[in-house]
Amino acid sequence: KNEVEQSPQNLTAQEGEFITINCSYSVGISALHWLQQHPGGGIVSLFMLSSGKKKHGRLIATINIQEKHSSLHITASHPRDSAVYICAVRIQGGSEKLVFGKGTKLTVNP
Amino acid sequence: DGGITQSPKYLFRKEGQNVTLSCEQNLNHDAMYWYRQDPGQGLRLIYYSQIVNDFQKGDIAEGYSVSREKKESFPLTVTSAQKNPTAFYLCASSRVGILSYEQYFGPGTRLTVT
Repeated sequence: KNEVEQSPQNLTAQEGEFITINCSYSVGISALHWLQQHPGGGIVSLFMLSSGKKKHGRLIATINIQEKHSSLHITASHPRDSAVYICAVRIQGGSEKLVFGKGTKLTVNP
Repeated sequence: DGGITQSPKYLFRKEGQNVTLSCEQNLNHDAMYWYRQDPGQGLRLIYYSQIVNDFQKGDIAEGYSVSREKKESFPLTVTSAQKNPTAFYLCASSRVGILSYEQYFGPGTRLTVT
């Protein structure tokens, strides 16, 4: 079993819909990262969080440490949000290494 | 502009040849990382370095080698011993400390070995 599991694997939405991507992990962590990978392959860091909730524009990330679960929400989705969203965790007591989920491929249709 | 550069974007090699992928950063980050990405799999760590002249193996280091002679540079050599070298390779960097820091990624190099 992977230490970081994401769901769903693939997600198709209509423009304007509210999107939720989930991430569950099975180890103690010191931080959780949400990353975005565009079709060209480049990866951008969206959020890093260790508790609570963070918001940036239409993106919201939440984490529940007790339940070992995080969600990434996109409000008023747009075709330009189409990308692969990746959850990664820094294991508690470990080095700077991250453990990655397999990613959720999001397609937003106009 | 601060960032990470990787070159080349696409690389083609014949089986049995060693190939070196370049990674340079001007973010003044102490830590640098090499990841491999295969279709349907999460990123996997090949090697990482938290300080000049020191590096550690990641989860899939076999068939790869690295050096860290300068803070800005962390080249990865894919040797002929790597059984399945065709993949997308990503370099990243970050600050180092007790807190967790964001990792900044380069644009990646797609290596095809035939």
